[in-house]
Amino acid sequence: GAGVSQSPSNKVTEKGKDVELRCDPISGHTALYWYRQSLGQGLEFLIYFQGNSAPDKSGLPSDRFSAERTGGSVSTLTIQRTQQEDSAVYLCASSLISGRGYEQYFGPGTRLTVT
Amino acid sequence: SQQGEEDPQALSIQEGENATMNCSYKTSINNLQWYRQNSGRGLVHLILIRSNEREKHSGRLRVTLDTSKKSSSLLITASRAADTASYFCATDAETSGSRLTFGEGTQLTVNP
Repeated sequence: GAGVSQSPSNKVTEKGKDVELRCDPISGHTALYWYRQSLGQGLEFLIYFQGNSAPDKSGLPSDRFSAERTGGSVSTLTIQRTQQEDSAVYLCASSLISGRGYEQYFGPGTRLTVT
Repeated sequence: SQQGEEDPQALSIQEGENATMNCSYKTSINNLQWYRQNSGRGLVHLILIRSNEREKHSGRLRVTLDTSKKSSSLLITASRAADTASYFCATDAETSGSRLTFGEGTQLTVNP
């Protein structure tokens, strides 16, 4: 079946502009995660959603970052007033449920470059 | 913050040889997973080992877990050029819900 998809695959934006990154999880997966991978920081957790529960936002680096998940499916990560340090690959993952021991399936990522 | 540390950071071997990568972590975990990443993009799940397991196999992969030493190893036997990739361990810690904490990764190069 279809895997996790993300769009756009690449995004170049000017410093100060807002960007929206989209994630389509695997159908039927109730848990959705956002991670960021950048040089010098490795892979870091940003936020996760489980069903209708309040999301765990503890990994968001600043209040310029926000995410929503509509209808328990598609998610959008928004970065406002982008800074150069936001340049990274943003990875989305989904899992069947948000239980321990369930594999997370990753999308191909969105490479964000802030100039 | 990154919980896991992996060594070596880079490993170069010849096709047919075995590759061993190690991962250490700091806090108590529920399970540990290994992922593979090609060209800095999406991660592919390889294998999951639970905290009450000591060894697990999947094809040419063998994973061990030593919770007393807070360490894990990934062994790839009879390596192939197509195994060239970055390999990451990721832990699901008892205190952090189901989010994963990743190690720094090992860049494996298998020379034909």
